[in-house]
Formats: sequence, C-alpha cells, structure tokens
Amino acid sequence: DIQMTQSPSSLSASIGDRVTITCRASQGIDNYLAWFQQKPGKAPKSLIYAASSLQSGVPSRFSGSGSGTHFTLTIKSLRPEDFATYYCQQYSGYPPTFGPGTKVDIK
Amino acid sequence: EVRLLESGGRLVQPGGSLRLSCAASGFTFRNYAMSWVRQAPGKGPEWVSAVSGSGTRTYYADSVTGRFTISRDDSKNTLYLQMNSLRAEDTAVYYCAKDPFAAPHYYFDYWGQGTQVTVSS
Repeated sequence: DIQMTQSPSSLSASIGDRVTITCRASQGIDNYLAWFQQKPGKAPKSLIYAASSLQSGVPSRFSGSGSGTHFTLTIKSLRPEDFATYYCQQYSGYPPTFGPGTKVDIK
Repeated sequence: EVRLLESGGRLVQPGGSLRLSCAASGFTFRNYAMSWVRQAPGKGPEWVSAVSGSGTRTYYADSVTGRFTISRDDSKNTLYLQMNSLRAEDTAVYYCAKDPFAAPHYYFDYWGQGTQVTVSS
C-alpha cells in the first residue's frame, strides 16, 4: 500500500495567517491526491481533488499544489471556520490511503 | 443538497454482526459509486469497501475481505455494509462517501456524518 505522511501533525495559527500543510506519498502518485477537512462530530468536507482542483463551493482561499510524491495545501488567509483537521488521500494506488492528519488550532 | 445519513452503529460483542445503512438524497443515487470509510480513535481514515454505480462490482480492503459485504438498494437510495465476525480492531466511526463517478475512482465529493461501531465484550 502507498503510505501517506503529513507535516506538521499540528499547528497553531491566528486569523488571517497563511497556512501550509505538506503531504508526501511513499511512491509517485501523479496528481491523484485529494484533501478534505474534518471537524469534530461533523461530516468530512471535501476540498480538493486532482491535487489542485477545488471542489464545488470551496472558498478560493484554499489551494493545492504538487505532483508525484510531494503536495501542499495552502489556506491563504485563515478564517475562524477553518480551524479543523486536514487530511490528504491518494487514489492512484489500490487501496486508496489517507494521511494521519494535520490539526489546525487557534494560537 | 446532497445528504448522506448513516445509521446502525452500536456496541457489539466480538464475533458479532452488524448492518450499517446510509440513506442518500439530493442526487441520482444509482449513477454513482459509493464507499465506506472508517476512522478508529486517534487514527487517520481507512477505506473499507466500495460498490459501483451499477452495483455489479464490489471492492474490499484486505482487513475486511470475507467478513464484510457491501451492497446497495437503488430503489431505496440506500447503501449497506453487512459486518460479520467483528473484532475489536473494527471499532471506529464508519462513514459513507460518494464517488464522483459510476465506477469507483476512490476519491469522494460528499461524506456522511458517520456512525459509531464499538466492538467490545
């Protein structure tokens, strides 16, 4: 199985900060990479697919980049509703696998 | 508005069985592949199983092959997961997730809120 790692595992940030989360795959996955957001007790929300394509309705302050084994999720200007845990997921190899998550909390 | 609502999770003894349901609305259910994804406490998510939009093809993680069965009833817009021979390591929140295509591509545009399954004596 393809292993996914994320860094950092957690970060503290302030409203308005630019936040970048890194995701790495144990082998090349082209751009078959998705990101989603999870808040406690809520349905996960899909943000990005194909490494950089925004899901419908996702604010433009979210962006994704990368290809191969190295990917990033950037939140341009952090808003209160963005405090959550973020996961990357590869769907190049079978089975699909997920990263361990990055928790973004308030500084 | 797309909605996925899971149900059926509860406390069950090791070796027991459980059937989870996921009621879908807001889209043409029969046209899309669906998956179950679980998340154990303190861990990242784990994909469990998928079914094609036609229902003719099913896919399973090695950890559940032979114990879990995924199915769908398109007349009821409902996805199911029959879980047998449950183990403590199956304890997790189980989510249903919608694939953007009829054949599984294994990324998801919508998720449900999840249902808790606890396997313990």
